[in-house]
Amino acid sequence: SQKIEQNSEALNIQEGKTATLTCNYTNYSPAYLQWYRQDPGRGPVFLLLIRENEKEKRKERLKVTFDTTLKQSLFHITASQPADSATYLCALDIFSGGSYIPTFGRGTSLIVHP
Amino acid sequence: NAGVTQTPKFQVLKTGQSMTLQCAQDMNHNSMYWYRQDPGMGLRLIYYSASEGTTDKGEVPNGYNVSRLNKREFSLRLESAAPSQTSVYFCASRGLSSPLHFGNGTRLTVT
Repeated sequence: SQKIEQNSEALNIQEGKTATLTCNYTNYSPAYLQWYRQDPGRGPVFLLLIRENEKEKRKERLKVTFDTTLKQSLFHITASQPADSATYLCALDIFSGGSYIPTFGRGTSLIVHP
Repeated sequence: NAGVTQTPKFQVLKTGQSMTLQCAQDMNHNSMYWYRQDPGMGLRLIYYSASEGTTDKGEVPNGYNVSRLNKREFSLRLESAAPSQTSVYFCASRGLSSPLHFGNGTRLTVT
């Protein structure tokens, strides 16, 4: 069965450093992968989407890589700030029953210390 | 622009009671989804509606029913609530080849 794995332990880093979060998946070849941010008490908010033919995507301080051979995506936040503290979720569309179903990893909590 | 609106925000039920969670989107999206989120379990799909007039089961459909009332609205019903259904419920929608837009959730406690 399809499995999407993210580090379950919280990532603690110092302000100004680069945060790197990992998303690994098995048994599937997704057309694209998405990253979301979730703050406590709120719904997830879309950040970036990367397609299988794209190796890297950037948006301001955010960078996503997608290695379909390793079945892994890395999500980087450069020059991190305490305001970046949140839970980050990766998601894949899995084809099932004639539709693409958005399926999520369990998320990784990022804590940026001032 | 409201996006995805969920009501109510909070609800406490006794075991065996029923209730309907409401969700509406104003982005003209075809697809709508209901997820539940529990500590350590991430987001799990309950039901989805790929387009108006269709609904399908997700990963954890037992104990729930859904109605796609029209293109805007997708409701989730608990016919006989159980403590195991204590969770945060999120509704989401998306258009073709676009990311998900989420509501801010309904926090349900079943005692």
